[in-house]
Amino acid sequence: GESVGLHLPTLSVQEGDNSIINCAYSNSASDYFIWYKQESGKGPQFIIDIRSNMDKRQGQRVTVLLNKTVKHLSLQIAATQPGDSAVYFCAENQAGTALIFGKGTTLSVSS
Amino acid sequence: DSGVTQTPKHLITATGQRVTLRCSPRSGDLSVYWYQQSLDQGLQFLIHYYNGEERAKGNILERFSAQQFPDLHSELNLSSLELGDSALYFCASSAQGLAYTGELFFGEGSRLTVL
Repeated sequence: GESVGLHLPTLSVQEGDNSIINCAYSNSASDYFIWYKQESGKGPQFIIDIRSNMDKRQGQRVTVLLNKTVKHLSLQIAATQPGDSAVYFCAENQAGTALIFGKGTTLSVSS
Repeated sequence: DSGVTQTPKHLITATGQRVTLRCSPRSGDLSVYWYQQSLDQGLQFLIHYYNGEERAKGNILERFSAQQFPDLHSELNLSSLELGDSALYFCASSAQGLAYTGELFFGEGSRLTVL
């Protein structure tokens, strides 16, 4: 079955708010955790990744937090914009296989 | 534009038939991955090829097969199609082999409809 999953299938926010998308994973041996964004009609697009020996990594308007104690990963998007509306997937890199994706959270941003 | 090209974009066929999906990876990428995305489902990993050799298998049915050619393009063959095979099939490429080296670059997918 799935080893990576997201807590909520949908998230609705107002433009300008901060968004937090959560993900739980089960494989402690994964060495990287990654967030992808999939816009309607397109393939997934890389957002940010974090190595398993880190607990926080920041990008442009995005921050990924990793809590290995409770096997939890989150993506924070600052000042959410309508263009951020998409499906967000977390994924884990399992050595010897490939990226294993969760089921996704649909983020809807209203203005 | 990710640089990964998938054809065809759309394909409609009947149960019991066989189809071939094609993927051209980004220039220089040696790894090709195939994923299946069904309605309301996440991305299911099918298979990974690196420089012509199969490197990892996921939840790929025996009716499905893939190969990577010397020019690094890849084909996913789906046979004895069933209604449940209707899905988006994504190809992704990367420079990595077995170790993670960064992002996968996804194509725009091939949408297969089995009637």
